[in-house]
Amino acid sequence: QKEVEQNSGPLSVPEGAIASLNCTYSDRGSQSFFWYRQYSGKSPELIMFIYSNGDKEDGRFTAQLNKASQYVSLLIRDSQPSDSATYLCAGDTGTASKLTFGTGTRLQVTL
Amino acid sequence: DVKVTQSSRYLVKRTGEKVFLECVQDMDHENMFWYRQDPGLGLRLIYFSYDVKMKEKGDIPEGYSVSREKKERFSLILESASTNQTSMYLCASSADRGITYNSPLHFGNGTRLTVT
Repeated sequence: QKEVEQNSGPLSVPEGAIASLNCTYSDRGSQSFFWYRQYSGKSPELIMFIYSNGDKEDGRFTAQLNKASQYVSLLIRDSQPSDSATYLCAGDTGTASKLTFGTGTRLQVTL
Repeated sequence: DVKVTQSSRYLVKRTGEKVFLECVQDMDHENMFWYRQDPGLGLRLIYFSYDVKMKEKGDIPEGYSVSREKKERFSLILESASTNQTSMYLCASSADRGITYNSPLHFGNGTRLTVT
């Protein structure tokens, strides 16, 4: 079973701090990784995508991918209370039409 | 904006009933998916379809079937609902066969199904 694993949290960070969310995957054939944000009672929305080793930045968000260590992370700088949500990591499975999702990490940004 | 619409937000059904969950997308997307989401288990793929009348099993297809008679509509069918099918069901679509940043998954708002 190809797996994507995340710590369920909650991860609690104060407002203005950096939140670091981590994800590991078991399928060495996975090429592309996605981070989705899901607010309570809502559907997931795509916030970041990465397929190359290294960092990818978009505003306050930075995705990091290390294929040798099979590790993906999402950094959120200057965390805001509105960032409080569950963050889902997903990787492709070698079949381009399918993603495997992690169970998600719940982030709480405190005032 | 892509719109993926699921017909019901909440549904309560009895054990043994046949249940239909409907999903419609308005962007002429090729791919459509059905996931279920459970606490501690995350999102799991039930079935997907990359063309009209085509379907492929996902990771947990047992107890479910699907129908895609038109490109914009993808239905999930629970032939005989059971209590372990109580869950949040999410429909999604993507433009192209491969899921990429330019062709990401777009999710509907979900249907919370309770089977009693």
